[in-house]
Amino acid sequence: ELKVEQNPLFLSMQEGKNYTIYCNYSTTSDRLYWYRQDPGKSLESLFVLLSNGAVKQEGRLMASLDTKARLSTLHITAAVHDLSATYFCAVDSFGNEKLTFGTGTRLTIIP
Amino acid sequence: DAGVTQSPTHLIKTRGQQVTLRCSPKSGHDTVSWYQQALGQGPQFIFQYYEEEERQRGNFPDRFSGHQFPNYSSELNVNALLLGDSALYLCASSFTSGTNEQFFGPGTRLTVL
Repeated sequence: ELKVEQNPLFLSMQEGKNYTIYCNYSTTSDRLYWYRQDPGKSLESLFVLLSNGAVKQEGRLMASLDTKARLSTLHITAAVHDLSATYFCAVDSFGNEKLTFGTGTRLTIIP
Repeated sequence: DAGVTQSPTHLIKTRGQQVTLRCSPKSGHDTVSWYQQALGQGPQFIFQYYEEEERQRGNFPDRFSGHQFPNYSSELNVNALLLGDSALYLCASSFTSGTNEQFFGPGTRLTVL
């Protein structure tokens, strides 16, 4: 059974600092997705990573994928309060399009 | 361009009752997936519909059923509600020939008393 784990589960960091969220998955997967969820809200798609070595950047967030290590990272640069949210990674495979989500990382940016 | 819409927003039911949740996909999308998200957890896949057929199903009992209509909209039905069915139910739509990037609706918050 495919398992997706994120760490840390909770992250409290100061504005202006850099940090990385890690996403590990247990079996071969073809695609990896990052989502953001604000409290009481739905999920917002951030990145779609389709191949080994893929790197995507949007503002202060950068995501990368290493399929050989079964690892994706979400790097936050010079954090600002607006980035406070829960971040989920999810994986799927060709022919098996259900998304399997990680445990989530609850990020709190402290002024 | 309208995104994914869901109705109702909130719902309160009692144990043993039945509920129907509705979803309209993003324009141009033909595939609808349903997820259950319990408080403090990640979404869990319930099932996916394409061409009015259930294409995939997660580990949910037969009390959970669905339907997709010719206009690609979808319904999720849950029978014999249990307290443990209380959760946020999310609908996501995608285009079957795309990257499977799924766009989520605002969700329906179901409370079972």
